[in-house]
Amino acid sequence: DAKTTQPPSMDCAEGRAANLPCNHSTISGNEYVYWYRQIHSQGPQYIIHGLKNNETNEMASLIITEDRKSSTLILPHATLRDTAVYYCIVISNFGNEKLTFGTGTRLTIIP
Amino acid sequence: DAGITQSPRYKITETGRQVTLMCHQTWSHSYMFWYRQDLGHGLRLIYYSAAADITDKGEVPDGYVVSRSKTENFPLTLESATRSQTSVYFCASTGEYNEQFFGPGTRLTVL
Repeated sequence: DAKTTQPPSMDCAEGRAANLPCNHSTISGNEYVYWYRQIHSQGPQYIIHGLKNNETNEMASLIITEDRKSSTLILPHATLRDTAVYYCIVISNFGNEKLTFGTGTRLTIIP
Repeated sequence: DAGITQSPRYKITETGRQVTLMCHQTWSHSYMFWYRQDLGHGLRLIYYSAAADITDKGEVPDGYVVSRSKTENFPLTLESATRSQTSVYFCASTGEYNEQFFGPGTRLTVL
């Protein structure tokens, strides 16, 4: 698995966009970028994933740079319930891939 | 209820006792996983299953047994519980795009 680097913590004001960066400079051609989050005492939650194009769903947007060496998760209008640890993971698109969560980014939404 | 459920949510047991943690998913996903999460550690894979009657070890399988006689169920058994198995256990299944959906977790305490 390619290694990812994320800032350990970030703050964001409620209602503003939260932009969470991730570096994955060793990503290979068949590897996808997945984002998960874990709210305190809950199971991890899948957010979004992408290969090379920007993606958007009801939860977030994912911007992947053209060289695919980094990406940004965007929560467009952060709420207090978005306070969580966010994990960027790079894996190939096979069903048996175990997830290796690094330390992630602890996002705190400030009222 | 649709989704992935785990039972019990909380369990206290004694050293040496056998304990079974249940996991049930309603999507008919092929791949299922068991992880444990300890303070100061990320998720660690215990066992996974590619389909009914097909299981394989993850990175920390010792002391655990799994079975999968039906696609929707993936129970995890601690044959003789030890204090080091005190942890939060998460079950997950893999969706169409290799995204993993996690259950709410079982918090196990071994005295």
